[in-house]
Amino acid sequence: QKEVEQNSGPLSVPEGAIASLNCTYSDRGSQSFFWYRQYSGKSPELIMFIYSNGDKEDGRFTAQLNKASQYVSLLIRDSQPSDSATYLCAVLLGNQFYFGTGTSLTVIP
Amino acid sequence: SQTIHQWPATLVQPVGSPLSLECTVEGTSNPNLYWYRQAAGRGLQLLFYSVGIGQISSEVPQNLSASRPQDRQFILSSKKLLLSDSGFYLCAWSEVLGMNTEAFFGQGTRLTVV
Repeated sequence: QKEVEQNSGPLSVPEGAIASLNCTYSDRGSQSFFWYRQYSGKSPELIMFIYSNGDKEDGRFTAQLNKASQYVSLLIRDSQPSDSATYLCAVLLGNQFYFGTGTSLTVIP
Repeated sequence: SQTIHQWPATLVQPVGSPLSLECTVEGTSNPNLYWYRQAAGRGLQLLFYSVGIGQISSEVPQNLSASRPQDRQFILSSKKLLLSDSGFYLCAWSEVLGMNTEAFFGQGTRLTVV
């Protein structure tokens, strides 16, 4: 079983705060790691990917990868109400993408 | 640029009826293709993936099947739907293996089996 675990939430943060989303994965052969955002009733859209240990920043988003601990996180700085969505963590293993169940984030104005 | 088309957007089908969902990709060749299902409040479950024409791998045994009759066409089928087949079905594609490849999703089909 290729497991990707996320806290389902819901996670609520005030507008302007930092939202922290976490993900763990079970297979050490996982090659790349992704964060997708999914609005209700819509398909997932990619926010960021990371494949090297450390941090990767893109605008208000920072992905962090620790392969030794099999841990991936996403930080959203200056959270906006439009960031309210479900965030899906995914790993690439071979040809397949495996997804977590998602964390629901609500940003309160 | 690459685009992915998936239809229909919504579908209501009676139990025991057949199913055919179609997905096509434009602007790329020999993509990896995927079918996922997302039940209400659940994550994405990988159903099938394909690395080439006629090459289908199944992740979960069930009453669904998939076919890839053309390079950029992926079809999800069932001969007899069950109530438990209800969900949000998503087709996705990716480039052939690479560290920074990503999965691109179609708009999804919301299937309700009644």
